[in-house]
Amino acid sequence: GIQVEQSPPDLILQEGANSTLRCNFSDSVNNLQWFHQNPWGQLINLFYIPSGTKQNGRLSATTVATERYSLLYISSSQTTDSGVYFCAVGIIQGAQKLVFGQGTRLTINP
Amino acid sequence: NAGVTQTPKFQVLKTGQSMTLQCAQDMNHNSMYWYRQDPGMGLRLIYYSASEGTTDKGEVPNGYNVSRLNKREFSLRLESAAPSQTSVYFCASRTSGRAGGYNEQFFGPGTRLTVL
Repeated sequence: GIQVEQSPPDLILQEGANSTLRCNFSDSVNNLQWFHQNPWGQLINLFYIPSGTKQNGRLSATTVATERYSLLYISSSQTTDSGVYFCAVGIIQGAQKLVFGQGTRLTINP
Repeated sequence: NAGVTQTPKFQVLKTGQSMTLQCAQDMNHNSMYWYRQDPGMGLRLIYYSASEGTTDKGEVPNGYNVSRLNKREFSLRLESAAPSQTSVYFCASRTSGRAGGYNEQFFGPGTRLTVL
């Protein structure tokens, strides 16, 4: 099956810093989503981005489908950005089942 | 518009007990999913329902059964709970795009289950 690898596994930054999270996947996909899991365990949709670039405030994401990777950029980090960021990919076959990466744990210190 | 709702939020079971986790969505989505998340890991698919009246196994279906009660509701049943089923369970639903169309999944708040 498709493999999803996220890097780095852990990232510790000071408030105000910028960060880049990477997601590599092993096969062609037609769905890619980025989620933020907050300290209470909720999964929050950040981006639906099977290809191209999107921006939402301090966050932006780019997916290069032909090279099988996606990047999530967080600028001017705030402590509320702390949590785990997941990348998940879906393929056309099988009703769009999502396959998740292991996540990147981001800690923003004040 | 509540999105995806799940009940209960927390549950503690003894080994061998049974229970049903409930999930409902009010977004008129065709597809619904059950995932589990173990500590320090990403989510893994247990079962899914591509449309009302159909269900299929995902990556980790052993020990579970599902029922797609109607378009809104998709339940997950543990017939004889085991400690290995201690996990957080998430339900999700997907916008009704066709292949190549819009296919975003939305998740409920989760059910934290402990099996002693």
